[in-house]
Amino acid sequence: DIQMTQSPSSLSASVGDRVTITCRASQNIYSFLNWYQQKPGKAPKVLIYAASSLQSGVPSRFTGSGSGTDFTLTISGLQPEDFATYYCQQCSSIPFTFGPGTKVDI
Amino acid sequence: QVQLQESGPGLVKPSGTLSLTCAVSGGSISSNNWWSWVRQTPGKGLEWIGEIYHSGSTNHNPSLKSRVTILLDKSNNQFFLTLSSVTAADTAVYFCARTQTTSWNVGYFDNWGPGTLVIVSS
Repeated sequence: DIQMTQSPSSLSASVGDRVTITCRASQNIYSFLNWYQQKPGKAPKVLIYAASSLQSGVPSRFTGSGSGTDFTLTISGLQPEDFATYYCQQCSSIPFTFGPGTKVDI
Repeated sequence: QVQLQESGPGLVKPSGTLSLTCAVSGGSISSNNWWSWVRQTPGKGLEWIGEIYHSGSTNHNPSLKSRVTILLDKSNNQFFLTLSSVTAADTAVYFCARTQTTSWNVGYFDNWGPGTLVIVSS
């Protein structure tokens, strides 16, 4: 299985901050990487697919980059509704696997 | 907008079988999408269980494969998960989700059900 790691596991930020979350895969996954946001008691919501493509309806302050084994999710200008947990997920090979998550709070 | 809704018993006895249904509305289960089950526990986080295509083809997580069955019912636009020989470790929130696949074969879960908590306990 491809192992996904994320850093940091949690971070504290303020409204307006620029936040960067890192995801690393245990082997080359090219651009087969997705990012999700999850709020308590809710299902995950896709933000970015294929490493850098913005899902329809997602604000442009969310950007994804990277390829191979190292990826980043950046939130430029954190908004109150962005306080949540963020997960990366590889779709390069079965079983699809998720990172452990990064919790963004105040 | 496609909507998914999980249903099934919230409590299953150890060594029993967990059975869940995912009802799909606003779209056809026979569309060009895979349909997945994902679960979430505090300890293991998000775990992909498996998926099914309208042809009946399936893929499973090898860690669960021998215990997992995924089926679909095209006439009622729904798909199912059964997980046998459950233990407390199978206590989780179970989600069903639709996989959207890009032209360059990147698949991502673009629609999710709200999730249903299943507790394994006697």
